[in-house]
Amino acid sequence: QKEVEQNSGPLSVPEGAIASLNCTYSDRGSQSFFWYRQYSGKSPELIMFIYSNGDKEDGRFTAQLNKASQYVSLLIRDSQPSDSATYLCAVNVGNYQLIWGAGTKLIIKP
Amino acid sequence: DADVTQTPRNRITKTGKRIMLECSQTKGHDRMYWYRQDPGLGLRLIYYSFDVKDINKGEISDGYSVSRQAQAKFSLSLESAIPNQTALYFCATSDLGRRFFFGSGTRLTVV
Repeated sequence: QKEVEQNSGPLSVPEGAIASLNCTYSDRGSQSFFWYRQYSGKSPELIMFIYSNGDKEDGRFTAQLNKASQYVSLLIRDSQPSDSATYLCAVNVGNYQLIWGAGTKLIIKP
Repeated sequence: DADVTQTPRNRITKTGKRIMLECSQTKGHDRMYWYRQDPGLGLRLIYYSFDVKDINKGEISDGYSVSRQAQAKFSLSLESAIPNQTALYFCATSDLGRRFFFGSGTRLTVV
């Protein structure tokens, strides 16, 4: 069974520090990887996607992919209280389907 | 106006009742999905549709049915609601299966 695993947290990070969120996946054939942010009671919103090994940066966010280790991570620099949310990792396993992790709850402490 | 609109936002219903959740989108996407979200379990796929004539079961379709009335409309029905169908339900669209765009969700409680 294809799986995506995340630590449920909560992960508590001081304001201004770097938050590091991790995700592992089981399907070696996975081609694309996504990070969504979900505020409590709200719908998920896409913040980053990555297709190739290495790093991809967008503002304060960096996605890192290591296909050999089946590992994808999200770094948030200069963390702000508004970054407090649950972060969902999703993996495209073909046929335009995503498998979703259960999410990591991030708390940024002022 | 929201690109993906779900109605109702909240619903309380009794066990055994039939209920329909509706979704409409203005993004022009062919692909539409219904997910449920339970605490600690992430998003689980109920049904998905790649066009009006293409409906597919997801991992947890038992007890649910769908109708794709038009490219822009995709509704989810619970034929006979049971308490363990209490959850947050999301409709989503996608552009070629890459980026997903979600509605605001329907919080359903079955008592």
